[in-house]
Amino acid sequence: QVQLQESGPGLVKPSGTLSLTCAVSGASISGNIWWSWVRQPPQKGLEWIGEIYHSGNTNYNPSLKSRVTMSVDKSKDQFSLKLNSVTAADTAVYYCAMSWVGITWDWGQGTLVTVSS
Amino acid sequence: EIVLTQSPGTLSLSPGERVTLSCRASQNFTRNSLAWYQQKPGQAPRLLIYGASSRATGIPDRFSGSGSGTDFTLVISRLEPEDFAVFYCQQYDTSPYTFGQGTKLEIK
Repeated sequence: QVQLQESGPGLVKPSGTLSLTCAVSGASISGNIWWSWVRQPPQKGLEWIGEIYHSGNTNYNPSLKSRVTMSVDKSKDQFSLKLNSVTAADTAVYYCAMSWVGITWDWGQGTLVTVSS
Repeated sequence: EIVLTQSPGTLSLSPGERVTLSCRASQNFTRNSLAWYQQKPGQAPRLLIYGASSRATGIPDRFSGSGSGTDFTLVISRLEPEDFAVFYCQQYDTSPYTFGQGTKLEIK
């Protein structure tokens, strides 16, 4: 059973950088799996942010591509998300997830990030 | 990007009833690259169906998916109390992978 756990600050100031990490257990981060991020603004639907392969290959949503960076740390079995120049519109629950061919098979519990001064 | 439109927005039904949820895509899929997820309040989404019609591990057979091209359907044959939630479709045919806006299934 794969377990994914998000961590990071719950409050980020406007124009700052949102940084989250997802710890992976129960699966090899170097497997034939893509590691993805999905977010959900309060009381709204789901938005796919992007995904990263253990080789470092990435696939970002064009709507966020200019502000997003994803990375993998194989030594720690974790992957990360950075979103810069945040505004209140970036306030959301951020989920990390395990994906394959675009299907999101397993999800973390999610972490709420609020953008506010 | 491919836009997915789910209907209806909200459904009010009783346990034991049959329900059909719809997901329509703005472009034709080259493959049946459509998934359905269930999300309960305060929880992460859970994968129900992938490949338009394949049930994920552990999903009861009262859940079934069908469709192709631009029109897809999720059917719950007989609603159980634990089934009431929000359901999302997602296409993974073309990046960026997109979700529908969701259908809320509530107890009548």
